Amino acid sequence: AQSVTQLDSQVPVFEEAPVELRCNYSSSVSVYLFWYVQYPNQGLQLLLKYLSGSTLVESINGFEAEFNKSQTSFHLRKPSVHISDTAEYFCAVLAPLNAGNNRKLIWGLGTSLAVNP
Amino acid sequence: DARVTQTPRHKVTEMGQEVTMRCQPILGHNTVFWYRQTMMQGLELLAYFRNRAPLDDSGMPKDRFSAEMPDATLATLKIQPSEPRDSAVYFCASGFQGELFFGEGSRLTVL
Repeated sequence: AQSVTQLDSQVPVFEEAPVELRCNYSSSVSVYLFWYVQYPNQGLQLLLKYLSGSTLVESINGFEAEFNKSQTSFHLRKPSVHISDTAEYFCAVLAPLNAGNNRKLIWGLGTSLAVNP
Repeated sequence: DARVTQTPRHKVTEMGQEVTMRCQPILGHNTVFWYRQTMMQGLELLAYFRNRAPLDDSGMPKDRFSAEMPDATLATLKIQPSEPRDSAVYFCASGFQGELFFGEGSRLTVL
């Protein structure tokens, strides 16, 4: 079974400052890793994913996350945040195809990022 | 622009009434999920379907909730009878391999 821990429930930060949202997972098998973002009053949107290959993955709006197998982490970073990045961010894991038919995303509880001017 | 469509966006009802939420998944997606989101519990998986067959509904209160996919273009979530503790935002999502596309949600308030 898999589990996900998002270490910070709330992260306040000033505009143009760097930010890191932490995500740790637990799994007995290799997993796929995801970050989703939820803007106010909207559904979740996929921000970025790690399936295999390069451990550093990037989104189109400047976020990046690095898969660290030894630390079982997938932290999300952005070097300079904007007001528009204010949102809830969810980390999630998925067991790979060979783990069986009943695979489903396991979600963290979310981190609320508040970017202040 | 393909998207998951949910109706209604908002619903206010009284305790004991039946509530039906509908979802049109993205054409071609074979997996459909129903989630519930509250401040206290976060994001909870209620049920999901693959190729219209229910795979897991262990997250649903069986006595009052039911989920179906009568065809590939429609998924429904029904609550009968509704209770105040059902107040939440209900999301439908479709996709595959962990890449999910969420609808904008149905905000349910049960008085």
